[in-house]
Amino acid sequence: QKEVEQNSGPLSVPEGAIASLNCTYSDRGSQSFFWYRQYSGKSPELIMSIYSNGDKEDGRFTAQLNKASQYVSLLIRDSQPSDSATYLCAVNSKSNTGKLIFGQGTTLQVKP
Amino acid sequence: EPEVTQTPSHQVTQMGQEVILRCVPISNHLYFYWYRQILGQKVEFLVSFYNNEISEKSEIFDDQFSVERPDGSNFTLKIRSTKLEDSAMYFCASRLDTYNEQFFGPGTRLTVL
Repeated sequence: QKEVEQNSGPLSVPEGAIASLNCTYSDRGSQSFFWYRQYSGKSPELIMSIYSNGDKEDGRFTAQLNKASQYVSLLIRDSQPSDSATYLCAVNSKSNTGKLIFGQGTTLQVKP
Repeated sequence: EPEVTQTPSHQVTQMGQEVILRCVPISNHLYFYWYRQILGQKVEFLVSFYNNEISEKSEIFDDQFSVERPDGSNFTLKIRSTKLEDSAMYFCASRLDTYNEQFFGPGTRLTVL
């Protein structure tokens, strides 16, 4: 079983729609969860962090965490063409060094 | 806003040559990391560094790799004898502690010919 799993997509949504991105992780001891956005040829850019069960909202983005189901999601409301990118789910490893374990990423395409 | 910087942005080298990739982490951060991303693949952890020593390294980080914090600001990754398969984007990252947000630099694209 992969440590962090994401559907690679592409996920295609029309402009203005809600995009829903999902991620599952294998280590029940994980405490910190992050969503990064990565444009082609660029570095990961932090969008959201979430540490406790429930929802966390920041502008058009909402992160959701369910530790019992080992599931993290990212909702993007009012999707814009500029949101087209690969979204990376990252989880703190169980080691105490703070290294991140990344999923493969989901490619989002927002069509005008 | 503070950011992680990396130089060079692109490095081309011949197989067997040594390369040094440089990073300046965010100034008050204490934990430093190198990751790499081969084209089309996921971001992979290489090494973590804290209190002037390696705290964890991956299987990828073999004897050809080394890291150093030569002064209070720079953090370097050295590859002693590059191989074709070392061609990748190398990202430096830093964070204040081991649980909060980790910020990435713009990356160095390493091409080994």
